[in-house]
Amino acid sequence: DAGVTQSPTHLIKTRGQQVTLRCSPKSGHDTVSWYQQALGQGPQFIFQYYEEEERQRGNFPDRFSGHQFPNYSSELNVNALLLGDSALYLCASSGRGFSYEQYFGPGTRLTVT
Amino acid sequence: AQSVSQHNHHVILSEAASLELGCNYSYGGTVNLFWYVQYPGQHLQLLLKYFSGDPLVKGIKGFEAEFIKSKFSFNLRKPSVQWSDTAEYFCAVIGSGNTGKLIFGQGTTLQVKP
Repeated sequence: DAGVTQSPTHLIKTRGQQVTLRCSPKSGHDTVSWYQQALGQGPQFIFQYYEEEERQRGNFPDRFSGHQFPNYSSELNVNALLLGDSALYLCASSGRGFSYEQYFGPGTRLTVT
Repeated sequence: AQSVSQHNHHVILSEAASLELGCNYSYGGTVNLFWYVQYPGQHLQLLLKYFSGDPLVKGIKGFEAEFIKSKFSFNLRKPSVQWSDTAEYFCAVIGSGNTGKLIFGQGTTLQVKP
């Protein structure tokens, strides 16, 4: 049973560029959430996707956007990268419809120079 | 504002010592509570959870946590730690009826000396 997978593992970008991160949920899950984890901090909720729509959003600017595909996989896009966007980006998936338990992937380490 | 506070940022223990990591939350309503663990080089894993019922919950690897509603606390305990428990521990809360936004504490790094 494959868990949550994310790609790429690491990424280096320059200020002002755009980046796309990808996530495949755990088998049987249909809901995907994205978190940003800065060094030495706990993860912070960015948004959640369910049925291909953004269901809930955290306190992040519009530069952060996402998408969910019919196969439940998801993308996180960040435009106009800032140095402060450097962080570990975590994807979490949860079970069908309404579930509190979120299962996390290994993350994508984004470095903005 | 909704928040989670973990009192200990870095804890160092010897093997066989007892562990208690503090977690307090601020949330206006019924909550569901979690402890996640991140072992070195691995992803976040669920250690235990509380949804309702018995406030003393048991998780994997001998960990347990007690929900004290009056104190808004959900402390993590283990009677005897092992070197393999070296990891970062995160307390998290989500409001009942809200399946999206897990609110995490800033984490506690536990180092167990052999």
